[in-house]
Amino acid sequence: DVQLQESGPDLVKPSQSLSLTCTVTGYSITSGYSWHWIRQFPGNKLEWMGYIHYSGSTNYNPSLKSRISITRDTSKNQFFLQLNSVTTEDTATYYCAIYDGYFRFAYWGQGTLVTVSA
Amino acid sequence: QIVLTQSPAIMSASPGEKVTITCSASSSVSYMHWFQQKPGTSPKLWIYSTSNLASGVPARFSGSGSGTSYSLTISRMEAEDAATYYCQQRSSYPPMYTFGGGTKLEIK
Repeated sequence: DVQLQESGPDLVKPSQSLSLTCTVTGYSITSGYSWHWIRQFPGNKLEWMGYIHYSGSTNYNPSLKSRISITRDTSKNQFFLQLNSVTTEDTATYYCAIYDGYFRFAYWGQGTLVTVSA
Repeated sequence: QIVLTQSPAIMSASPGEKVTITCSASSSVSYMHWFQQKPGTSPKLWIYSTSNLASGVPARFSGSGSGTSYSLTISRMEAEDAATYYCQQRSSYPPMYTFGGGTKLEIK
């Protein structure tokens, strides 16, 4: 089975950048599918943030388009999230997930809580 | 952008009771996925493409719907089914993935 694991700082100051890593095992991120970031706010609302396709192309939620970047390191089978100019509104649990050939979020990481606070 | 509205937001059911959760889309969609989430864990794919049970999901669960109205049904509630359920769909243009607000299901 494919497994995903998020990592990164759990506390970020307002106006700084949030950077997270998703490490994938069991499947190469260049072999297929799209690789996503999804966040869940306190209160449990889920928001799709964006993805990087196995080809390297990206697509972002328009509400975040000016602040978000998703990149990858194929040698390490990792993909990354960078969210700039964060505010307290960006406090959330961040998940990485795979969108598979059946057009579904089949596998998720365990999530990492990031708090934005001074 | 398509908006998904789930109802009810919170409900409780007794063991053995039939449970139905609905998801209404603001525009017609081709399918709906459902996720189950328990506290402290990530959402788990539960039902995909409207009516297909994900691996390991008990047969007492079913999904149905079309157009703008979809539902998840539990034929007989069990304690382990207490969780929050989310519907989700993907729109083609612009490419967007949206989730419903969730239905918290509790056991009586």
